Amino acid sequence: QITLKESGPTLVKPTQTLTLTCTFSGFSLSTSGVGVGWIRQPPGKALEWLALIYWDDDKRYSPSLKSRLTITKDTSKNQVVLTMTNMDPVDTATYYCAHDPVVTEYYFDYWGQGTLVTVSS
Amino acid sequence: AIRMTQSPSSLSASTGDRVTITCRASQGISSYLAWYQQKPGKAPKLLIYAASTLQSGVPSRFSGSGSGTDFTLTISCLQSEDFATYYCQQYYSYPPTFGQGTKVEIK
Repeated sequence: QITLKESGPTLVKPTQTLTLTCTFSGFSLSTSGVGVGWIRQPPGKALEWLALIYWDDDKRYSPSLKSRLTITKDTSKNQVVLTMTNMDPVDTATYYCAHDPVVTEYYFDYWGQGTLVTVSS
Repeated sequence: AIRMTQSPSSLSASTGDRVTITCRASQGISSYLAWYQQKPGKAPKLLIYAASTLQSGVPSRFSGSGSGTDFTLTISCLQSEDFATYYCQQYYSYPPTFGQGTKVEIK
């Protein structure tokens, strides 16, 4: 049974760096073909894909946010970490991590519950 | 990036109705399309991938069709638990992109 759960601050100030952790179980990021991605959703708006990391440490980023994002994994802890620099109020959103079952096919079959991050001074 | 456009943005329907949601890609994406269902305050749930393959555990009243640029999600007999927002997502090319969503409301 695959589960994922996001953790991190609920409130960050503008210009600060956001660090979110995805802790998962039911699969290993050392298994060939497996990936974990991050997707966000501003209140009342649509989903936006942010980043992905694969078992072989291949990383993909949203072109529009690439300069601000870093995704890393800790296979021993079953965790994936996303950092986003220079946070702005427009980055207020629910942030989800999700399991990508097929390498280079960027769809997501299991999702975490999401964590709402508010950017405000 | 490929733009995904869903129509309608919202619809009202009754339990038992047949509902169809359309998703159009700004360029051809073969069959690299997924559909998700999202209920308020919950994470999206994968319904369909590869345009027409039902995810394990998803009721058979959900079906998907299409290829290239035009796709549809059909709910054959709407149930009360199906009132939600539905999103399409292309994964033909990087970056993956989502449609703006279609909210299915109770008439």
